[in-house]
Amino acid sequence: EDKVVQSPLSLVVHEGDTVTLNCSYEVTNFRSLLWYKQEKKAPTFLFMLTSSGIEKKSGRLSSILDKKELFSILNITATQTGDSAVYLCAVEAAGTYKYIFGTGTRLKVLA
Amino acid sequence: KAGVTQTPRYLIKTRGQQVTLSCSPISGHRSVSWYQQTPGQGLQFLFEYFSETQRNKGNFPGRFSGRQFSNSRSEMNVSTLELGDSALYLCATNSGQGTDTQYFGPGTRLTVL
Repeated sequence: EDKVVQSPLSLVVHEGDTVTLNCSYEVTNFRSLLWYKQEKKAPTFLFMLTSSGIEKKSGRLSSILDKKELFSILNITATQTGDSAVYLCAVEAAGTYKYIFGTGTRLKVLA
Repeated sequence: KAGVTQTPRYLIKTRGQQVTLSCSPISGHRSVSWYQQTPGQGLQFLFEYFSETQRNKGNFPGRFSGRQFSNSRSEMNVSTLELGDSALYLCATNSGQGTDTQYFGPGTRLTVL
């Protein structure tokens, strides 16, 4: 059965720290992997990854995919309290028209 | 472009009732997916519609159903509500073709008493 596992489940850091969130997957016929940030509302899109080794970057956030080892990481540098949220990873298998979500990593950044 | 809209935003129902939720996609998006989000189970896929056809569905009982209209707007219906149906119901839309990002609506918070 297709599955997506995120780690750690939760994380508490101080402002200025760097964090690495992990997403591993077992999906037949992988197509794409998406990262979302969810605060007290709907998930907002961060990155879409389809190719191995190509880093996607947006400000202090970056992400990369390893299709051989079946995982992705999301890095956040110089964390701020506004980064506190649940970070979700989702994987799409080609031809299924659905995304399988991990349970998320809850990040709390302390001032 | 306007974002994904969902109505209503909040709903309170009692057990045994039925409910209909609506999702209007971003202009040009023809695929609408529905998800149920609960604290214990996370985001669970309900079903996906494209051009008025259901292309996939998740592991939910038949009480959960949906449809899509010719303008790509979608509705989902839950009949004979149970307490466990209390959740945030999210829809997400994209073009439905090729590799494309899903964008979420604000969700409908359903509470079943």
